[in-house]
Amino acid sequence: DAKTTQPPSMDCAEGRAANLPCNHSTISGNEYVYWYRQIHSQGPQYIIHGLKNNETNEMASLIITEDRKSSTLILPHATLRDTAVYYCIVRASLSNFGNEKLTFGTGTRLTIIP
Amino acid sequence: DVKVTQSSRYLVKRTGEKVFLECVQDMDHENMFWYRQDPGLGLRLIYFSYDVKMKEKGDIPEGYSVSREKKERFSLILESASTNQTSMYLCASGARGGYTFGSGTRLTVV
Repeated sequence: DAKTTQPPSMDCAEGRAANLPCNHSTISGNEYVYWYRQIHSQGPQYIIHGLKNNETNEMASLIITEDRKSSTLILPHATLRDTAVYYCIVRASLSNFGNEKLTFGTGTRLTIIP
Repeated sequence: DVKVTQSSRYLVKRTGEKVFLECVQDMDHENMFWYRQDPGLGLRLIYFSYDVKMKEKGDIPEGYSVSREKKERFSLILESASTNQTSMYLCASGARGGYTFGSGTRLTVV
């Protein structure tokens, strides 16, 4: 399984873009990058995922480098409600049936400063 | 919206008790998962299931078992609860990494 490395914490001013980095230098060609976030006392929430192209949805943008060894999650206009722990995950296949599991690390604690 | 419902938000059990944590999802997903979350350790996968009556061990299965008799329900069983199983337990369902999590059960074993 490809492992991910994220900074333990980051701050961002409200209204600014929050850029959360993730290193996954051992990622395989068929492994996707997923981002989840966990707001205090809640279960994790899916944000976005991608394989090699950049992706955007209503919550965020995902930029994956050409060599796929790192990625950045961008929250374009951070609000106080974006304060959470953000997890970068590489999806791994497990078992002969090709089913998958998500392995969470400890993530990045993002604090939005008013 | 997909709903994943965990039967209890808070639970207090005694050491040695058999504990059942229930999880129900309403979107006909094949895959269901049980994680535990502890401060400084992130989420760790205990067991997962990709079909009825099928199960696979995750990273920390010791001391736990699971049951999946129906597609919508995935139960986590602590055969003999111990204090080191005090934790937040999170259930998830989904496919292809797009998982929906329940709100969690905070279990305290005394």
